[in-house]
Amino acid sequence: DVKVTQSSRYLVKRTGEKVFLECVQDMDHENMFWYRQDPGLGLRLIYFSYDVKMKEKGDIPEGYSVSREKKERFSLILESASTNQTSMYLCASSSPGQFDEQYFGPGTRLTVT
Amino acid sequence: DQQVKQNSPSLSVQEGRISILNCDYTNSMFDYFLWYKKYPAEGPTFLISISSIKDKNEDGRFTVFLNKSAKHLSLHIVPSQPGDSAVYFCAASDTGNQFYFGTGTSLTVIP
Repeated sequence: DVKVTQSSRYLVKRTGEKVFLECVQDMDHENMFWYRQDPGLGLRLIYFSYDVKMKEKGDIPEGYSVSREKKERFSLILESASTNQTSMYLCASSSPGQFDEQYFGPGTRLTVT
Repeated sequence: DQQVKQNSPSLSVQEGRISILNCDYTNSMFDYFLWYKKYPAEGPTFLISISSIKDKNEDGRFTVFLNKSAKHLSLHIVPSQPGDSAVYFCAASDTGNQFYFGTGTSLTVIP
């Protein structure tokens, strides 16, 4: 079974703090994704990565950056957290060429105060 | 602007009956479509997909229908079971790279 784990289930940070959200997958997947889920807006893609050190902007990359130094790990970075980044963040991974079947982690509920 | 829309935020169905979840999209270039199911406190799990070369795909109790001319997608669950109670997201893509998700429909199956 594919396992996608996220470093925290709940996180509370202050405005202006630098925030790291970590995601690890154990199935040797090339592709990894970061989404945020907000009420009434569904899941929106922030960034994705096809391979180590590669990244592509998704629909809403502003205010975020990512890092993929190892194949199994994909980090989402909020350089200076703001209250409008309070959200549920979901990480996913998939095999190459199988963009439909993404395996999601349980999510991190981030609150920025 | 929301390119994939699920206009029903919630749906209640009696156990054993059919559940029909609907999804509309605006981009005529979309040709990969899928459905995910999400339980509380868990990430979404892939349910079923369909590409534009088909108008129907079936997997057990789950069938997805695609009407490209109407830009409409639907998921049928027959018969519905209480364990099907979850939030269902549809998603669409034109490249297979980036998927655009709908806002979700919360399905409740009443025993």
